[in-house]
Formats: sequence, structure tokens, C-alpha cells
Amino acid sequence: DVKVTQSSRYLVKRTGEKVFLECVQDMDHENMFWYRQDPGLGLRLIYFSYDVKMKEKGDIPEGYSVSREKKERFSLILESASTNQTSMYLCATTSGFGYTFGSGTRLTVV
Amino acid sequence: DQQVKQNSPSLSVQEGRISILNCDYTNSMFDYFLWYKKYPAEGPTFLISISSIKDKNEDGRFTVFLNKSAKHLSLHIVPSQPGDSAVYFCAARAPAWDKIIFGKGTRLHILP
Repeated sequence: DVKVTQSSRYLVKRTGEKVFLECVQDMDHENMFWYRQDPGLGLRLIYFSYDVKMKEKGDIPEGYSVSREKKERFSLILESASTNQTSMYLCATTSGFGYTFGSGTRLTVV
Repeated sequence: DQQVKQNSPSLSVQEGRISILNCDYTNSMFDYFLWYKKYPAEGPTFLISISSIKDKNEDGRFTVFLNKSAKHLSLHIVPSQPGDSAVYFCAARAPAWDKIIFGKGTRLHILP
């Protein structure tokens, strides 16, 4: 089974801090994704990556950036955290038809 | 514009009865549909899928029906159990896409 590991389950950060969310997958998949989930808004795609050093903007990239230096690791960066970035962040990977998600990181920005 | 729509934000069903979750889509290029289940504080997990060449796929208590002419799919859970209480996301994919489009989710409550 594919395993997708997100480094933190819960994070509390202050407004203006730079925040790194890490995601590692163990199946050598090329495609990796970052979503956020908010009540009533479903899953919204922030960024995705098809390969090392490649990145594509999703539907809501503003305020975020990503890094993919190694195939197995896809990092989401909040350059200057704001309270409207309080959310559940989900990393996913796929080799074809379906996604495998990590357990999620619940980020609270105070 | 939403390409995958789940018009019911929530649904309550008595334990033992059938739960029916609905999903509509607009893009006729979609060729593969999936349902994911999500508990609070966990990532979504894959539940069941269906290819556009089929109209039904069954896996235990879960059955997905696809009506291509109506651009509609539904997930049936029978009998419903307390552990089925979760948020269910409908998702769709088009050929040559590597990303999946998700609906906003339906929260299912199974009542004792």
C-alpha cells in the first residue's frame, strides 16, 4: 500500500510566520498534490507537481508556494501565515486513477 | 464553475436503512468517477470507483450507479451502519488529466 506521510497532525502558528508543511510518499509516484479542506467548500486544490522541480498552480494558490526537490517529498509553504489560512491541509499522490491521501495537518493561525 | 456538484450538504439516515448520496457533473469528458470517505481529523480514503463504460459497480455494502445521459452518479450504502457517518466526496477525472475534480462533499449522519 502507498503511504503518504504528513509530518504534523496539528500545528498552531502566529500571523506573519513562515510555515512549512511536509509531505512524503513512499511509492515513487510522480504526481503529488496539496489540498485544503474547509467546511462547505470541500477540497480545493492549492498546488500540484508532476515531477521533481515542477509545479503547477491549482485553484487557490495565492499566499502559498511549494517545493519539490526530491520525488518523494512535496512541501507546501505559507510565506506569511494569515488567519484565513487556518484549515485542514491534505497531501495526496497518485499513479493513475485514484488518489492516496495523507492523514492531514490541521493548521491554526492565531 | 463547479464541474462536480454534490447538492446535499448533509443527509441523515436511520441505521439499517439505505443511504443514497448523489452527485452531478457537467463535463462529458469525465471517464472515471470515485467516491471518498472522510472522518474528522483524517485524510480522505478511497471507497469505490466506476469507469464511464459501466453503469454499476458494487463492493460489499457499497454500490455506485452511473447515468451518463443524465450526468449523474449515486452511491448507495445498504444497510447503513454507525461507522458510515462521515463526509463523502464525489470526484471525477478526464482522460489525460492527472488531477481529480472533487465535489464539496455530503455529510452523512447515521441515526441509531
